Amino acid sequence: GENVEQHPSTLSVQEGDSAVIKCTYSDSASNYFPWYKQELGKRPQLIIDIRSNVGEKKDQRIAVTLNKTAKHFSLHITETQPEDSAVYFCAASPSYNTDKLIFGTGTRLQVFP
Amino acid sequence: NAGVTQTPKFQVLKTGQSMTLQCAQDMNHEYMSWYRQDPGMGLRLIHYSVGAGITDQGEVPNGYNVSRSTTEDFPLRLLSAAPSQTSVYFCASSRGEVNTEAFFGQGTRLTVV
Repeated sequence: GENVEQHPSTLSVQEGDSAVIKCTYSDSASNYFPWYKQELGKRPQLIIDIRSNVGEKKDQRIAVTLNKTAKHFSLHITETQPEDSAVYFCAASPSYNTDKLIFGTGTRLQVFP
Repeated sequence: NAGVTQTPKFQVLKTGQSMTLQCAQDMNHEYMSWYRQDPGMGLRLIHYSVGAGITDQGEVPNGYNVSRSTTEDFPLRLLSAAPSQTSVYFCASSRGEVNTEAFFGQGTRLTVV
């Protein structure tokens, strides 16, 4: 089955710096790659996603890139702010006919003022 | 529109006890799933359902049962609780039209002593 690896497990940056989180997946049939943000004590929420027919997608300060050949995708956050501090999860959908998602192990991002 | 509602929010069980974690959604979503979240392990898929009457195993199904008699409800049963099942459990739902956003419940923190 699908396996998603995520790195780093923790990331500390200064406010205003950029942050990059990387994920790799094993199943070449995976075609959908969302990113979820989980603030302390709260539920995960979708922040951005990318599909296999797209190489890059941006939404204000966040962007996601996908390299299908290498089977990896990354989350980029620019101009980080303290409110970006959270745990970020990448995921991959290994199915063409369901919403099944396999998640990575998460990255705890801390943004220091 | 309450979204995805989980009950209870907190539960303490003794080893060997059984219980049911409740999950209900009011968005008419076809796809529902259960995850457990453990430190350093991310979100691991326990069971999922693509519609009423249809369920399937995820990555870590042992020790858990599910059923889906209605579109709205997807309960998770612990048959004989073990300390290894101490975790935070999240229920999620999505439209089921393939690659659609997953909406999470607020989580249930379960401790097995």
